[in-house]
Amino acid sequence: DIQMTQSPSSLSASVGDRVTITCRASQSITNSLSWYQQKPGKAPNLLIYATSSLQGGVPSRFSGSRSGTDFTLTISSLQPEDFATYYCQQSYSIPFTFGPGTKVDIK
Amino acid sequence: QLQLQESGPGLVKPSETLSLTCTVSGGSIGSSYYYWGWIRQPPGKGLEWIGSMSYSGSTYYNPSLKSRVAISLDASKNQFSLKVRSVTAADTAVYYCARTSADSYYFDYWGQGTLVTVSS
Repeated sequence: DIQMTQSPSSLSASVGDRVTITCRASQSITNSLSWYQQKPGKAPNLLIYATSSLQGGVPSRFSGSRSGTDFTLTISSLQPEDFATYYCQQSYSIPFTFGPGTKVDIK
Repeated sequence: QLQLQESGPGLVKPSETLSLTCTVSGGSIGSSYYYWGWIRQPPGKGLEWIGSMSYSGSTYYNPSLKSRVAISLDASKNQFSLKVRSVTAADTAVYYCARTSADSYYFDYWGQGTLVTVSS
């Protein structure tokens, strides 16, 4: 199985901050990486697919990038509604696997 | 707008079979372009993909669960289902149904989730 790790596991930030979350795959997954946002008691919501493609309806302050097996989710200016847990997911090979999550809370 | 809704018992006894159904509205599951699948999340923990199935019958399962899991699809009802046999407390989780595309396998539509507790 491809293992996905995320860093940090949690972070505290203020509204307006630039936030960066990293996801690392245990082997090459090309661009087969998605990011999800999950709020308490809700289903995950797709933000970005194929490393950097923004899902319809997702604000442009979210962006994704890749360097080798390291993937980054960036929120350019954190908004109150962005406080949530973020997960990455690889869809390169079965079983599809998720990272452990990064919780973003209010500083 | 596509919507997915899980349904099924919220409490299952150990060693029994967990059965859930996902009803899809606002679109048809009768397309081989999409896969229809299940993901679960134990309370306070991360996400685990269980398996996915297409209308053509192509099915993929997580090897860690493959021996106990079955996914089926009923296009006439626009529903798909999950069965997990011989459940234990470790199967207690929120179960989500979700759709993926057949080429990229990212989950673009999700149900709201349903909590299934395994307990006697």
